[in-house]
Amino acid sequence: DAGVTQSPTHLIKTRGQQVTLRCSPKSGHDTVSWYQQALGQGPQFIFQYYEEEERQRGNFPDRFSGHQFPNYSSELNVNALLLGDSALYLCASSNTGALRGYTFGSGTRLTVV
Amino acid sequence: QKEVEQNSGPLSVPEGAIASLNCTYSDRVSQSFFWYRQYSGKSPELIMSIYSNGDKEDGRFTAQLNKASQYVSLLIRDSQPSDSATYLCAVNRGSGNTGKLIFGQGTTLQVKP
Repeated sequence: DAGVTQSPTHLIKTRGQQVTLRCSPKSGHDTVSWYQQALGQGPQFIFQYYEEEERQRGNFPDRFSGHQFPNYSSELNVNALLLGDSALYLCASSNTGALRGYTFGSGTRLTVV
Repeated sequence: QKEVEQNSGPLSVPEGAIASLNCTYSDRVSQSFFWYRQYSGKSPELIMSIYSNGDKEDGRFTAQLNKASQYVSLLIRDSQPSDSATYLCAVNRGSGNTGKLIFGQGTTLQVKP
């Protein structure tokens, strides 16, 4: 039973560019949440997708957008990259919202230069 | 005031000792509480969940919840060097299946041989 898979694992981008990160949730899970984790900090909630719609959003600018597909997989897009966007981006899935916790993917390490 | 607060540490304990990790939260309606372990450069891994007041034991781990004091703790008995990691406290914010996890900044635990 595959867990949460994310791609790519590492990415280097230049300021001003755009990036797309991808996530496939654990089998049986229908909710996908995205988190940003800066070095030495806890994960910060970006947004959550359920039934192909953004259900909740954290305190992130509109440069951060996402999508969920009919097969429950999801993408995170970041436009006009800033140096401060350098972080570990984590995808988490569940089938009960957050009631029973999330399963995390291995993350995408984004470096903006 | 942060929604979920942890002492960043590091907390240093000798091998075989009990490690005590603490967390406070601000939202009184939170219903689900979690401890995740995160090794350096890796993604968070769920190790304990607790939903009602009192203690919950799983092997060497014990989670304690006091909703009146808005306090969650994790005890690790017989600490091993392999327990050295960052421990993240997470709280479900929201109701039913629509909640999201809010994380503290994490406490770094060092177990010295």
